[in-house]
Amino acid sequence: NAGVTQTPKFQVLKTGQSMTLQCAQDMNHEYMSWYRQDPGMGLRLIHYSVGAGITDQGEVPNGYNVSRSTTEDFPLRLLSAAPSQTSVYFCATRRVAGELFFGEGSRLTVL
Amino acid sequence: AQSVSQHNHHVILSEAASLELGCNYSYGGTVNLFWYVQYPGQHLQLLLKYFSGDPLVKGIKGFEAEFIKSKFSFNLRKPSVQWSDTAEYFCAVKPGNTPLVFGKGTRLSVIA
Repeated sequence: NAGVTQTPKFQVLKTGQSMTLQCAQDMNHEYMSWYRQDPGMGLRLIHYSVGAGITDQGEVPNGYNVSRSTTEDFPLRLLSAAPSQTSVYFCATRRVAGELFFGEGSRLTVL
Repeated sequence: AQSVSQHNHHVILSEAASLELGCNYSYGGTVNLFWYVQYPGQHLQLLLKYFSGDPLVKGIKGFEAEFIKSKFSFNLRKPSVQWSDTAEYFCAVKPGNTPLVFGKGTRLSVIA
């Protein structure tokens, strides 16, 4: 039982490149979300999904796309990376009413 | 604007000292409340949560928190901290059916 798995753990991109951060969960949670963590800013919600086929924007969605074709997977796409997107990204899931379970994080550096 | 406020950015304590970290929120209505801890280089882990019932909530590792509805507060306490409690602590609030909102975190450094 892996819980919430994020890949890759580390990534370096050049400005303008695209990439996808993967998130997979085996807990059968309907709710999945992506946060970014920056020093002194806490965790800010990027996008979330309450079930397959349903996504919504969080506090800081610009520059990011998501899709939810299955219950298990919730990839986060950066179409044209910018230095402002240098951050640590966390995927988190939960049951209908409960606490969040976090992945290990993905550290992204955009040069 | 609705928000979650953690009053202390960085707290430094000696081992065995008592800890209290403040958390206030500005949402009305029903809320679920959480404290998470992030040890250096790790992801966030749940310390404790409050949904309803007894406003004094006990969590893991000797932590507790008290929900005071009239003050919109959910302060975290521990009677005696250890060096291993060095971490960043995040208060989080879930207002109704909307997503969880985190405070900016409080870094705790425990020195021998």
